[in-house]
Amino acid sequence: GAVVSQHPSWVICKSGTSVKIECRSLDFQATTMFWYRQFPKQSLMLMATSNEGSKATYEQGVEKDKFLINHASLTLSTLTVTSAHPEDSSFYICRPDYGQDTQYFGPGTRLTVL
Amino acid sequence: AQSVTQLGSHVSVSEGALVLLRCNYSSSVPPYLFWYVQYPNQGLQLLLKYTTGATLVKGINGFEAEFKKSETSFHLTKPSAHMSDAAEYFCAVSVRGGNTPLVFGKGTRLSVIA
Repeated sequence: GAVVSQHPSWVICKSGTSVKIECRSLDFQATTMFWYRQFPKQSLMLMATSNEGSKATYEQGVEKDKFLINHASLTLSTLTVTSAHPEDSSFYICRPDYGQDTQYFGPGTRLTVL
Repeated sequence: AQSVTQLGSHVSVSEGALVLLRCNYSSSVPPYLFWYVQYPNQGLQLLLKYTTGATLVKGINGFEAEFKKSETSFHLTKPSAHMSDAAEYFCAVSVRGGNTPLVFGKGTRLSVIA
């Protein structure tokens, strides 16, 4: 299967700081990247969809100015949580879309905001 | 729009017993259906998927699921539970073609009792 990496795997930061999460598609190029968020003991919720070279589309209720997504290349997408607060603590997971019928996810990044 | 309902947020079985995790979906177009497993503090691992063809799908670790269009169901089964099967299981749906996000059910936590 395709290899998708995320970095960092776990990050702890102070309230008010910004955190950047990288998602790399190592085997295939991905024109589209999905970002999900998973709160403890809950399911995955789609946050946004990004296409390489264009602005991301955010789901209802997700602040685009707080969760900055950059999809500058076909193998790298980044999610920056700006001015993080404890309620942003969550598990963030990316999923590149390869236009096939199989869905590969990144291993996830656990963000803890103190 | 697609949606997924997983009946039972928590299922408990004895080791060696049948595992049955229920999933019903809603989709206005022919769906792709997936089951994922998530172990604590880890990402998602694909168990199996249905796209087209045979409605009984076999996956990893002895799991299988049957797509029943008339019942809009995609229940996950395993004949004999193992302690290592204890995890969170997510059913998900998408539609044919790329650039489509997965929609997840709320998840079912499987406990296996020795």
